[in-house]
Amino acid sequence: AQSVTQPDIHITVSEGASLELRCNYSYGATPYLFWYVQSPGQGLQLLLKYFSGDTLVQGIKGFEAEFKRSQSSFNLRKPSVHWSDAAEYFCAVNNNAGNMLTFGGGTRLMVKP
Amino acid sequence: DAEITQSPRHKITETGRQVTLACHQTWNHNNMFWYRQDLGHGLRLIHYSYGVQDTNKGEVSDGYSVSRSNTEDLPLTLESAASSQTSVYFCASRRDMNSGNTIYFGEGSWLTVV
Repeated sequence: AQSVTQPDIHITVSEGASLELRCNYSYGATPYLFWYVQSPGQGLQLLLKYFSGDTLVQGIKGFEAEFKRSQSSFNLRKPSVHWSDAAEYFCAVNNNAGNMLTFGGGTRLMVKP
Repeated sequence: DAEITQSPRHKITETGRQVTLACHQTWNHNNMFWYRQDLGHGLRLIHYSYGVQDTNKGEVSDGYSVSRSNTEDLPLTLESAASSQTSVYFCASRRDMNSGNTIYFGEGSWLTVV
């Protein structure tokens, strides 16, 4: 069975600092990986996704993520965080059959002025 | 613009009552999903559908049912609401079964069972 772990429940960073949110997955084959962001009271918005090719993927809002097969990781990064990035971030993995998108427990990001 | 909408956005109901949450998408997507979001659990899949007349159970389907009579709608029914079903419910859709396709989410329905 596939699973996703986001080890950090809460992260606080200062505005302008760099950010890395961790995501580890468990899946037997090449996974399809996603990062979503959820602002308070809102639905989920796709930041970026990976399913083949270059292991460093670029997303919206200045985010990027790197797929590392050897570490079963898909960490999300941003070089300089803005106050508007405060939200909850979810990593997700989809199996090859396409019928099961499994989410991690989420990481809540707070941004200090 | 095409979109996915959920209604009601907020609802309070009593234990034992039947509740239906509506989900409507205008993208003509074949795949539709219902998730619930709970603190510490992220989003968990309740039911999903690949197309009209197709429904499948997800990870946490007990106490829930869905029907897919047309492409646009996938209503979620709680047959007899329980306090454990107090949660935020998200409907989602995707064009087809290609695993790389983006899943789009509605804005959520906050359900409280008292």
